[in-house]
Amino acid sequence: SQQGEEDPQALSIQEGENATMNCSYKTSINNLQWYRQNSGRGLVHLILIRSNEREKHSGRLRVTLDTSKKSSSLLITASRAADTASYFCATDAYQAGTALIFGKGTTLSVSS
Amino acid sequence: DAGVTQSPTHLIKTRGQQVTLRCSPISGHKSVSWYQQVLGQGPQFIFQYYEKEERGRGNFPDRFSARQFPNYSSELNVNALLLGDSALYLCASSPLAAISYEQYFGPGTRLTVT
Repeated sequence: SQQGEEDPQALSIQEGENATMNCSYKTSINNLQWYRQNSGRGLVHLILIRSNEREKHSGRLRVTLDTSKKSSSLLITASRAADTASYFCATDAYQAGTALIFGKGTTLSVSS
Repeated sequence: DAGVTQSPTHLIKTRGQQVTLRCSPISGHKSVSWYQQVLGQGPQFIFQYYEKEERGRGNFPDRFSARQFPNYSSELNVNALLLGDSALYLCASSPLAAISYEQYFGPGTRLTVT
């Protein structure tokens, strides 16, 4: 089963605009991570936020975490065509040992 | 340093056959985890191994098995293949036992079952 659910499922914007995607999860977590995947290839880690953190920045990325609502958001500022990819949130969950559970992802398309 | 490598890149099998996928972690990484990604979905966790011990198992049937070798490389085996096993199989490695930290993913093996 998938722990996280991202929305929107798809997002199309122009270069220079900001992109915001959201993630909700079901159980308590230690950390929440965001990954990017280009064209069905391997995933690349973007940022990790711990359960006791509320906001974190990395370059053009800003992540927020609200553990009371079990939700997180990823903001990409000043989007570029190269940001076109699928974005997934991932959380740890207990499932016959600890598992890393991914959401269904948001597909971002940035046009120039 | 080389990243996570997986072999083969692509594979076509027939229903009922068995398949073995291989993964070499980044040097120094002792954790390997496996994921199945069906087209249009997020990766689904299958297994995690750390120091050759299984640390986590996802909701997959017993047809799926894995092991980790003394050099920390890993194999994923799938028996009695079904059409629904067609997917991208991803391997990830990490220097840490806890899977809640950054995972380094390989490019994946694309399995097609006909």
